[in-house]
Amino acid sequence: AQSVTQLDSHVSVSEGTPVLLRCNYSSSYSPSLFWYVQHPNKGLQLLLKYTSAATLVKGINGFEAEFKKSETSFHLTKPSAHMSDAAEYFCVVSEAISNFGNEKLTFGTGTRLTIIP
Amino acid sequence: SQTIHQWPATLVQPVGSPLSLECTVEGTSNPNLYWYRQAAGRGLQLLFYSVGIGQISSEVPQNLSASRPQDRQFILSSKKLLLSDSGFYLCAWKVTDTQYFGPGTRLTVL
Repeated sequence: AQSVTQLDSHVSVSEGTPVLLRCNYSSSYSPSLFWYVQHPNKGLQLLLKYTSAATLVKGINGFEAEFKKSETSFHLTKPSAHMSDAAEYFCVVSEAISNFGNEKLTFGTGTRLTIIP
Repeated sequence: SQTIHQWPATLVQPVGSPLSLECTVEGTSNPNLYWYRQAAGRGLQLLFYSVGIGQISSEVPQNLSASRPQDRQFILSSKKLLLSDSGFYLCAWKVTDTQYFGPGTRLTVL
């Protein structure tokens, strides 16, 4: 069975400083990994995904994540935080659940990112 | 372009009342569709998924049901709501290897 652990429930950084949101995963097979962002009372927006290609993945809004198999980690980073980055971030791992090409997403419990002006 | 719609956006219902939430997608055919629930302060839990019309799979036993009467329509229902059904309900569809989410419905059961 797969699982995802987001190591911090809440992260606060000052505007203009780097962001690091940590994620560790457990999966029986080569996983697909995703980061989604959710602004208050909104749906989830895909930030980036890893699907066994390059281990350093670049996403939208200046975010990137590095897949490290030896550490079973997929941490999300951004060099310089912006006020609009304040939101909830979810790390997600995917596994197949049927023979129809269907996948089940397992979500972490989320990290709330606060940006200090 | 491909889009996903959910309605209503918010809903307040009394305990014991019925529920119907609708999700529709545009710009694609025969999509894989999913219903998730997000309880307060928690991650998302997969409730149902569907690979085609009339084909529904349930991930967890609960007070809810799902139906897919048309190719691009996915409905979440309940005959009698419980307090524990409160939450944020998200519909998603899959494009190649990625799931994309709708705007969600905030359900409050009083």
